[in-house]
Amino acid sequence: TQLLEQSPQFLSIQEGENLTVYCNSSSVFSSLQWYRQEPGEGPVLLVTVVTGGEVKKLKRLTFQFGDARKDSSLHITAAQPGDTGLYLCAGENNDMRFGAGTRLTVKP
Amino acid sequence: DTGVSQDPRHKITKRGQNVTFRCDPISEHNRLYWYRQTLGQGPEFLTYFQNEAQLEKSRLLSDRFSAERPKGSFSTLEIQRTEQGDSAMYLCASSPHRAEAFFGQGTRLTVV
Repeated sequence: TQLLEQSPQFLSIQEGENLTVYCNSSSVFSSLQWYRQEPGEGPVLLVTVVTGGEVKKLKRLTFQFGDARKDSSLHITAAQPGDTGLYLCAGENNDMRFGAGTRLTVKP
Repeated sequence: DTGVSQDPRHKITKRGQNVTFRCDPISEHNRLYWYRQTLGQGPEFLTYFQNEAQLEKSRLLSDRFSAERPKGSFSTLEIQRTEQGDSAMYLCASSPHRAEAFFGQGTRLTVV
């Protein structure tokens, strides 16, 4: 079983729409990271959240860490085709474990 | 380029052969991780190092897999007696502290 559950697994939307993807676990994490990965490449770090309830913004992306530090969400406003990719969350305690990812496709 | 470097980018090998991959982390990053990723899945944790010490190894990892990080710099991942199920992308990442890992471009292994 996956330590981190990401939903939805796949998401296909039109350019300009808003979306939210989720990362859930029964475990408490010291920190949680979000990455974006394109085919044939390694994941690229987007953000790290550390404090329960923390909200971070990166242009059109808003990341939230749950109060109990067990879950997180990523909201994208006015999605663009360049946002297409695999979005991965990773929970960190001593090591770092990943979810299976949400594959996002933004159609022009 | 001062990012994480992995070599080779691609490796095709026959079943039963041994393969070795190399990872050069970002200078002064004391943590180094190895992951395996198959199509449609997230990276699966294999092992990690704090400097030269291997602190954890996944229970999913068979005895055919071994990793080293001599002198706390570059790392190697060796797979002995490769099987078709070993075909995957092998990813290396380094970190200056416990969070925020920076990944290389990976080594794509195909076992035929």
